[in-house]
Amino acid sequence: AQSVAQPEDQVNVAEGNPLTVKCTYSVSGNPYLFWYVQYPNRGLQFLLKYITGDNLVKGSYGFEAEFNKSQTSFHLKKPSALVSDSALYFCAVRDMRAGNNRLAFGKGNQVVVIP
Amino acid sequence: DGGITQSPKYLFRKEGQNVTLSCEQNLNHDAMYWYRQDPGQGLRLIYYSQIVNDFQKGDIAEGYSVSREKKESFPLTVTSAQKNPTAFYLCASGGTEAFFGQGTRLTVV
Repeated sequence: AQSVAQPEDQVNVAEGNPLTVKCTYSVSGNPYLFWYVQYPNRGLQFLLKYITGDNLVKGSYGFEAEFNKSQTSFHLKKPSALVSDSALYFCAVRDMRAGNNRLAFGKGNQVVVIP
Repeated sequence: DGGITQSPKYLFRKEGQNVTLSCEQNLNHDAMYWYRQDPGQGLRLIYYSQIVNDFQKGDIAEGYSVSREKKESFPLTVTSAQKNPTAFYLCASGGTEAFFGQGTRLTVV
């Protein structure tokens, strides 16, 4: 079964500093990997995905993530954080084996950007 | 507009009642999902469906039931057997990535 670990409960960063949110995953086959963001009392918004190809993927709002197969990681990054980036961030994984649509999420990381 | 619509946004349930949460999508997606969100626990999968008339239990299916009679619709019933139903419920549909509705907040009164 696939699973995701997001080791930190909260990430605090000063506005303008680089932001990193960590994610490691476990799957039997090859992974599809995703990052989502959630604002209070709202659904999740898709940020970016890794399917295949270049290990560095770019997404919405200046976010990017790097796939590292040897470390089974998919950390989310942003070079310069904004106060408006304060939100809850979720990493998710799906096993690429045919017929498997089950999508597993981590517990989420609260990001607080300090003005 | 294309998207996923969940209703109602807020729902109150009395002890012993069954309630049904609605989820409709017009994105022509085969796969649909229901997740439960509790503070500090992330999203936990309740049920998912890969195609019409088929669905599978997720990690926390006890006390819940679903149906998938139409591609567009995947309603979730929270039964009286669910002992702690107060939570935020999220529906999603998807191809490669999942798209989410705005959620239903269920409270037991």
